[in-house]
Amino acid sequence: GAGVSQSPRYKVAKRGQDVALRCDPISGHVSLFWYQQALGQGPEFLTYFQNEAQLDKSGLPSDRFFAERPEGSVSTLKIQRTQQEDSAVYLCASSLAGLAGDPYEQYFGPGTRLTVT
Amino acid sequence: AQSVSQHNHHVILSEAASLELGCNYSYGGTVNLFWYVQYPGQHLQLLLKYFSGDPLVKGIKGFEAEFIKSKFSFNLRKPSVQWSDTAEYFCAVITADRGSTLGRLYFGRGTQLTVWP
Repeated sequence: GAGVSQSPRYKVAKRGQDVALRCDPISGHVSLFWYQQALGQGPEFLTYFQNEAQLDKSGLPSDRFFAERPEGSVSTLKIQRTQQEDSAVYLCASSLAGLAGDPYEQYFGPGTRLTVT
Repeated sequence: AQSVSQHNHHVILSEAASLELGCNYSYGGTVNLFWYVQYPGQHLQLLLKYFSGDPLVKGIKGFEAEFIKSKFSFNLRKPSVQWSDTAEYFCAVITADRGSTLGRLYFGRGTQLTVWP
C-alpha cells in the first residue's frame, strides 16, 4: 500500500521567501508528526496532530513556522520569511495512534530537503 | 528535555564482523525504545522496537537490541554484518508516562555504518 508521501522533495528558496511543504499521511492514520533534520543530526520534533487538532507545537522554532491539518488528513508546514538556518530536511510521519504506550510505529515519508540561499 | 546519545558517529566494518551500536537515554521514567534505519536514498524505516516484556527484542534482517533499564541503554547488535547493512542508524525514545508528550520521538544524532565487502 501507499506510504507517507511528501512534496516537493526538494525546495530551494531565497532568504525571505515563504515556503509550504505538504505531507500526505497513510490513509486512516490518526496521528501526524513533523520533524526537522539538520545536516549530520537526528530528526527533531516540531509538531503533532491528532486528526485535525494540533496537540503539541512546542518544537516549532519560531513564530515563522506554522502547521495545519484542516481535515485531519493532509498536512502543510509553512515557513514564512525563510532564513538560512531553516535549511534542513523536513520529515513527516504518521501513525495509527499517538498515545504514549500505544504499540504503533511512526511511518516516515521521504522528506523535503529545503535549502535557503 | 530528554536526550538520546549515540556514542559512535561512524563505524566501519568488514563483512561478517559483529556489530554493536550504543544508545543511552536520559529519561528516568517509562520509555518506549526504537531503532530506525535509513538506507542510502531511502526514508527512515523501523528496525525494531521495545514497549514492554522481554528486554531482548529481535527486529528485521537479523538485528536485535537489549533494553537494560539500570543502564538507560538500548544497544543494537548483529552477529555478522553484510554489505547491504550500510546505512545510517538512529536510536529513538518516546517517554511513556501519564501526561508525557504524546508520542513524540526523541532521536539520537545517528551512527553511519559502512560495511566493506
